[in-house]
Amino acid sequence: QQPVQSPQAVILREGEDAVINCSSSKALYSVHWYRQKHGEAPVFLMILLKGGEQKGHEKISASFNEKKQQSSLYLTASQLSYSGTYFCGTELLMNYGGSQGNLIFGKGTKLSVKP
Amino acid sequence: EAGVAQSPRYKIIEKRQSVAFWCNPISGHATLYWYQQILGQGPKLLIQFQNNGVVDDSQLPKDRFSAERLKGVDSTLKIQPAKLEDSAVYLCASSLAVGYRVDQPQHFGDGTRLSIL
Repeated sequence: QQPVQSPQAVILREGEDAVINCSSSKALYSVHWYRQKHGEAPVFLMILLKGGEQKGHEKISASFNEKKQQSSLYLTASQLSYSGTYFCGTELLMNYGGSQGNLIFGKGTKLSVKP
Repeated sequence: EAGVAQSPRYKIIEKRQSVAFWCNPISGHATLYWYQQILGQGPKLLIQFQNNGVVDDSQLPKDRFSAERLKGVDSTLKIQPAKLEDSAVYLCASSLAVGYRVDQPQHFGDGTRLSIL
């Protein structure tokens, strides 16, 4: 049930773009994205609800394809501050149409942005 | 707005000892979560409270872990007795979410890093 994130790690130069993927084997109600810097708490980035919407947050945006049970996080023109580990958290859609009620987090994608 | 407060920040104990962690959520947040994060992994939910009631504790090892949220505000998580495999960061998070949906951001505390010798 744990979502699979890819890639596991990526190294970028400042200004380069990156895409992080999150894939589930189960139907999803929503996908949440968080960023965690070393030794710090995870910080909320965005929630994507079923409906295939795309959301943006400055130069970070994400999409959610509920039919494919996948979400992608797009980081454009990366900055040094984008470095950290990115986690997706998935909220499962139950057979009766409701939510599982909590998040299952992936193992994370470590992003390193170099000057 | 004050964030989620956790204490202690670090704890080192020997196996078979007991330990307790404390969490004070953001004021007004009905839902409180305790997560275990093992090095190199994503957070894993241990228990979820809504006000002072337990919503989900299916992944809490109940033979050694216990948690309570008295008066629907602060919460404590206890491990007794600790095992080597309990070495991890224990994160507390709170959210405005109510009902059986995760439609609000979760705000995390800085966590307690537990080392078992």
